[in-house]
Amino acid sequence: GAVVSQHPSRVICKSGTSVKIECRSLDFQATTMFWYRQFPKQSLMLMATSNEGSKATYEQGVEKDKFLINHASLTLSTLTVTSAHPEDSSFYICSASIRQGSDTQYFGPGTRLTVL
Amino acid sequence: AQSVTQLDSHVSVSEGTPVLLRCNYSSSYSPSLFWYVQHPNKGLQLLLKYTSAATLVKGINGFEAEFKKSETSFHLTKPSAHMSDAAEYFCVVSSSSGNTPLVFGKGTRLSVIA
Repeated sequence: GAVVSQHPSRVICKSGTSVKIECRSLDFQATTMFWYRQFPKQSLMLMATSNEGSKATYEQGVEKDKFLINHASLTLSTLTVTSAHPEDSSFYICSASIRQGSDTQYFGPGTRLTVL
Repeated sequence: AQSVTQLDSHVSVSEGTPVLLRCNYSSSYSPSLFWYVQHPNKGLQLLLKYTSAATLVKGINGFEAEFKKSETSFHLTKPSAHMSDAAEYFCVVSSSSGNTPLVFGKGTRLSVIA
């Protein structure tokens, strides 16, 4: 149980285009979803927290207009990287918790974004 | 404030020998502590979790960790390493109330030599 999927697993795009990444909880309802970014050989950095039906809370230094997060249902959150640039290339990982305030998060397999 | 320090960025062991990955934490709250494993280009898998119950926590794949409040440590161990254990391991702290985000350590890369 508690499986989280991400799509696509890998995406290559041209500079200036926008890319959407989906995060789905497959066998549970996720009241809260999280988006992380991981640079090569580094740890995960929390970008934002989203609760279903409300606006995402972004961490300091993360541009909300650059990284658009939509949590439209209890099983789906999307991250859109707008006007992507090469410095946005990274590994993006989502996670989900079963209930708000739960300290256990279930992680997706990640999406490798490469911006040319 | 919460923080995690993983004392070794890289640990190398021979197959069949014990594994020790060290983690110290700092937390203003009663902490929840986790170990996650990440294989190359994969997401994170939860190995084990401590939430103020038994101080010795058993996880998957033969891993276990002991919570030592006096030492503010939560070291990960395994009696006998397998080749498949080679991966990146993250120690993570959160508040047991669940109202704070996860804080990740920088990770320890475990290499297993045949």
